[in-house]
Amino acid sequence: EAQVTQNPRYLITVTGKKLTVTCSQNMNHEYMSWYRQDPGLGLRQIYYSMNVEVTDKGDVPEGYKVSRKEKRNFPLILESPSPNQTSLYFCASSLGANTEAFFGQGTRLTVV
Amino acid sequence: KQEVTQIPAALSVPEGENLVLNCSFTDSAIYNLQWFRQDPGKGLTSLLLIQSSQREQTSGRLNASLDKSSGRSTLYIAASQPGDSATYLCAVSSVDSNYQLIWGAGTKLIIKP
Repeated sequence: EAQVTQNPRYLITVTGKKLTVTCSQNMNHEYMSWYRQDPGLGLRQIYYSMNVEVTDKGDVPEGYKVSRKEKRNFPLILESPSPNQTSLYFCASSLGANTEAFFGQGTRLTVV
Repeated sequence: KQEVTQIPAALSVPEGENLVLNCSFTDSAIYNLQWFRQDPGKGLTSLLLIQSSQREQTSGRLNASLDKSSGRSTLYIAASQPGDSATYLCAVSSVDSNYQLIWGAGTKLIIKP
């Protein structure tokens, strides 16, 4: 089954404790991206990747890192999480930048 | 900068009614427009994608139209069912947005049995 898989689905952590949210897709898509969704602000892009070893900032990249060492994986790294990074995070992939996007189930992160 | 607006923010209708959700965007230079569905606690499901050269797309009871010149798209849902209750989001991929999707705030739809 074609899908985008994020882990974990739910995470509660403390300020400053490094964490990684994994994202994997099995559709051989080149384009992957991370979004965060906040009430009243909608979905905003954090980072995106056009292909292996090619990543770029979205609208809200501060406090986040990403890597794209393999085509299928695009992990989101929070080196030192802060409470303002409490949010619902989505990973997405698509064949190209302007084709249909497929989303993961989301990761609800709470930083206390 | 591209902005996407969805009106109304919420809509409640009886089961069986046909309904229309609206999406407007400020810059007509787009690659495509997508409609998504979001259920509580779940991810985003792609419903329909309309390329900038297309006028409409259909999938089952759903029909999405695109009028690029006026900056508008509508999602038509025929014979609504309680299972259609969800938040519907539209997102635009535009020429000036560096390949990211620009999102509307969504319309929360409730279908009453």
